Amino acid sequence: EADIYQTPRYLVIGTGKKITLECSQTMGHDKMYWYQQDPGMELHLIHYSYGVNSTEKGDLSSESTVSRIRTEHFPLTLESARPSHTSQYLCASSEYPPSGGDLHSYNEQFFGPGTRLTVL
Amino acid sequence: KNQVEQSPQSLIILEGKNCTLQCNYTVSPFSNLRWYKQDTGRGPVSLTIMTFSENTKSNGRYTATLDADTKQSSLHITASQLSDSASYICVVSDRGSTLGRLYFGRGTQLTVWP
Repeated sequence: EADIYQTPRYLVIGTGKKITLECSQTMGHDKMYWYQQDPGMELHLIHYSYGVNSTEKGDLSSESTVSRIRTEHFPLTLESARPSHTSQYLCASSEYPPSGGDLHSYNEQFFGPGTRLTVL
Repeated sequence: KNQVEQSPQSLIILEGKNCTLQCNYTVSPFSNLRWYKQDTGRGPVSLTIMTFSENTKSNGRYTATLDADTKQSSLHITASQLSDSASYICVVSDRGSTLGRLYFGRGTQLTVWP
């Protein structure tokens, strides 16, 4: 089991509330990611980070924001939750290959258990 | 457009039986292909990874094959167990980005009955 943690695991909240989903990893990985997954659908990348102070938007547009102040921590924030934000949110991390290493075998992403968010 | 298509969408088998899941992809340039297992309410866990030079990889009762020419992969599960009930996701990485962008299939939902 990978050392990547997400809290809370489940969250039910009312419309308009501000929420922060926590993600932490103890593997020292530089790259971290947030995915959104609806039931029976593929994972969609919404945010990623190459390292401290780096944040980028992913393929799927999201009203959430992220920050990367510490290597191990990559929280996701929704300023005003809406029912359309109801989904499963998965955090992942990966490492850069060592010098001379095979880039293409080192992009394995390790996933956290996810946060199931329900906005009423 | 890079895509990953999986079939069947869902599958029910009896405990002890074998099954094969399929994955077709159009991701280019191809880097590697992984099969992940995702239990309900959990994050995906990697089962196998294959680069373009590999055509088969085993992990216990799981055997993955890759045909880079036809852009097809399969995951064969032998002697299924109840704990194999999960979604199996095919994930393809492209060679064209330093991010190591992943393209996910929608998964095959496998249910193993006693």
